[in-house]
Amino acid sequence: GAVVSQHPSWVICKSGTSVKIECRSLDFQATTMFWYRQFPKQSLMLMATSNEGSKATYEQGVEKDKFLINHASLTLSTLTVTSAHPEDSSFYICSARQRVGNQPQHFGDGTRLSIL
Amino acid sequence: GIQVEQSPPDLILQEGANSTLRCNFSDSVNNLQWFHQNPWGQLINLFYIPSGTKQNGRLSATTVATERYSLLYISSSQTTDSGVYFCAVAFSGNTPLVFGKGTRLSVIA
Repeated sequence: GAVVSQHPSWVICKSGTSVKIECRSLDFQATTMFWYRQFPKQSLMLMATSNEGSKATYEQGVEKDKFLINHASLTLSTLTVTSAHPEDSSFYICSARQRVGNQPQHFGDGTRLSIL
Repeated sequence: GIQVEQSPPDLILQEGANSTLRCNFSDSVNNLQWFHQNPWGQLINLFYIPSGTKQNGRLSATTVATERYSLLYISSSQTTDSGVYFCAVAFSGNTPLVFGKGTRLSVIA
């Protein structure tokens, strides 16, 4: 149980393109999901907290107009990288936690984004 | 915000050796998780251990919450254990995990 599915796994696209990444909790409901970014040989850095039915909370230094987050249901959050540029190339990974009780956070397999 | 420090940053082991990885954190937490990130980037959840001791095969972990540290033990290491091990903590269930910088483990045959 507690599976988080992230899609797509890999994206290669041209500069200026917008890219949407989906994060789904397959067998549980998640009112809160988290989006992280990881650059090569570095740790995971939190980008934003996605709250079902309300606006996302962004970490300092993360442009909310560039990284659009939508959490329209209890099982789906999406991250859209708008007008992507080469410096947005990175590994993006989402996580979700079951609503009830003290539970661990479960992570998707990540999306490797390469902007040419 | 909460600080997470992992040591050592790098570790090279001969196959069959044992090792201990450490995670120190700066504040009280109610969520602590250990992960293994494989070469494809997947984060494999090893332990959810805000306190106490757990074992899973060759791996075990101990968290002493009152002293704000956790230890991950790897026994009889194998080459497939290579990768980066992350410790991550959170204040509460609804707050995001904060990751340490990781320990990069290389197990050589």
